[in-house]
Amino acid sequence: GEDVEQSLFLSVREGDSSVINCTYTDSSSTYLYWYKQEPGAGLQLLTYIFSNMDMKQDQRLTVLLNKKDKHLSLRIADTQTGDSAIYLCAEKTPGYSSASKIIFGSGTRLSIRP
Amino acid sequence: DAMVIQNPRYQVTQFGKPVTLSCSQTLNHNVMYWYQQKSSQAPKLLFHYYDKDFNNEADTPDNFQSRRPNTSFCFLDIRSPGLGDAAMYLCATSRVAWKGGQIQPQHFGDGTRLSIL
Repeated sequence: GEDVEQSLFLSVREGDSSVINCTYTDSSSTYLYWYKQEPGAGLQLLTYIFSNMDMKQDQRLTVLLNKKDKHLSLRIADTQTGDSAIYLCAEKTPGYSSASKIIFGSGTRLSIRP
Repeated sequence: DAMVIQNPRYQVTQFGKPVTLSCSQTLNHNVMYWYQQKSSQAPKLLFHYYDKDFNNEADTPDNFQSRRPNTSFCFLDIRSPGLGDAAMYLCATSRVAWKGGQIQPQHFGDGTRLSIL
């Protein structure tokens, strides 16, 4: 079945890099996404990657996709206190709207220590 | 500028008393979604509209209904809220260029946190 899994917590020191990992089960997923959710707020799209790409970089964010292992990661360089949030991984299954879904993971809570 | 707006941010209702949550968008997106998110859990899709076509998820309880009177607005109606319906409700929009086309990434509102007394 469809499932997206992430570890629940990650703690990093301010200024270090954060690497948040995600595994998914649907090998035919077409898009994979990273969303950021601050406490009590909605989801903010950070970045996404097409399934035919291995890597995407956007300023401090680097997304790596290993299709063989169905593994997605998000690296945040020079982590700042403002990066504290929950990061949700999501996959889009193929097909048109009614048949296609976006499946979310439960999120990884990133905390920054001084 | 907020593009997907949910009102209110916090809603308190009584057990069994009908409640309506609203969502509006300025993106002119043709697809609108409602998700339920409980604490420390993944958002769970309840239903979505492609234009006026309503698409219900198989496991969405009958207690949850939705209306989309026009492109900009979508409502979530909970007919008889139970304690288990306390959650964050997220509205999202996306654009599909044509039926069968690729769905663009979803844009979310800030959510409405629903509490049941």
